[in-house]
Amino acid sequence: EPEVTQTPSHQVTQMGQEVILRCVPISNHLYFYWYRQILGQKVEFLVSFYNNEISEKSEIFDDQFSVERPDGSNFTLKIRSTKLEDSAMYFCASREARTQETQYFGPGTRLLVL
Amino acid sequence: DAKTTQPPSMDCAEGRAANLPCNHSTISGNEYVYWYRQIHSQGPQYIIHGLKNNETNEMASLIITEDRKSSTLILPHATLRDTAVYYCIVRAPSRSGNTPLVFGKGTRLSVIA
Repeated sequence: EPEVTQTPSHQVTQMGQEVILRCVPISNHLYFYWYRQILGQKVEFLVSFYNNEISEKSEIFDDQFSVERPDGSNFTLKIRSTKLEDSAMYFCASREARTQETQYFGPGTRLLVL
Repeated sequence: DAKTTQPPSMDCAEGRAANLPCNHSTISGNEYVYWYRQIHSQGPQYIIHGLKNNETNEMASLIITEDRKSSTLILPHATLRDTAVYYCIVRAPSRSGNTPLVFGKGTRLSVIA
């Protein structure tokens, strides 16, 4: 069964460094999302992406964040200058089509900022 | 904010049915009820969704009350691997096509041997 994949599974970085989290959505899906979950807290929406542009974004998704679909398969989340509070699980999700609303999630990347 | 209310935790004996309730008294006519679960910090896993009719798939059954103000997710024969946090989410089809899921705190289901 097709699934969303994410790399790396774990990332440790120093505060102020840039990180890129990578996702490969399910191949025929057109809508892409990033969510995050700080340890012990709820899953929170960051951004949605369709047709090579951001559709919606939350207050969390400020100027230090960016997303890109650099080729036909990858979907990336870049954090330009990481802060301690960016430490979290980051989940990518994808959805097939406008009429098929179910989002499917990847296994996540655990980011630890020291 | 999440538009649903769920008990924070429940226990279920292995092999028995797990019935997880969800209140969504302010649900709108075009909003679907979705259920996801999250096993120990893994990515949320889609289980089932419905609008007003009861639904069943290979994982679970979803029973929605006639007034649609509450629903119950049923795992017919719970196993230890069903131990997870279960999220009930209401969501309308989005005009932009890209409305996010809004997660609450969910119900932590513990299946006990």
